[in-house]
Amino acid sequence: AQSVTQPDIHITVSEGASLELRCNYSYGATPYLFWYVQSPGQGLQLLLKYFSGDTLVQGIKGFEAEFKRSQSSFNLRKPSVHWSDAAEYFCAVLSGGYNKLIFGAGTRLAVHP
Amino acid sequence: EAGVAQSPRYKIIEKRQSVAFWCNPISGHATLYWYQQILGQGPKLLIQFQNNGVVDDSQLPKDRFSAERLKGVDSTLKIQPAKLEDSAVYLCASSQDRNDYGYTFGSGTRLTVV
Repeated sequence: AQSVTQPDIHITVSEGASLELRCNYSYGATPYLFWYVQSPGQGLQLLLKYFSGDTLVQGIKGFEAEFKRSQSSFNLRKPSVHWSDAAEYFCAVLSGGYNKLIFGAGTRLAVHP
Repeated sequence: EAGVAQSPRYKIIEKRQSVAFWCNPISGHATLYWYQQILGQGPKLLIQFQNNGVVDDSQLPKDRFSAERLKGVDSTLKIQPAKLEDSAVYLCASSQDRNDYGYTFGSGTRLTVV
């Protein structure tokens, strides 16, 4: 069965520091992968998605993610974090058939000034 | 373009009571999803509609949860009777069709069962 693992429950970084959030997936075929961000009291906002092609994907708000098939990973990165990036981040894989999203448990990001 | 609208934003009920949530998807979006997000977990799909037909309800606890999407537009999700473990955020999302992966999520309804 398809699944997504986000190994880090909480991450704290200083403003201006670089960020990498980890995501590992389990999927038999070529996965369709997503990163979403959720601010407190808000719905999920799509940051970026990977379907095929270039394994380095650019998203909104300065985020990027790299698909590595050999490691079954799709890690999210940002070179310089802003205080407004504090939120919860979810990695997801599209499950075949009915095209439903399967989410990881999320990583909560705190940003120190 | 208006987003996905959900109401109410918050609801507190006692266990064994019933509750209903409402979702208005983006105009023209054929596919509608209800997700349950328990605190500390990622969202989990409860039910997926394509127009007014159910595509996937394999994870919907059908003994207490029901959902409908009359006329293929608005949708309601009902819980009757509610249990403590139903406390969660209920998210509605829509997309143009099953092959459109640009899901738009609403802000959710936070349910607390006491």
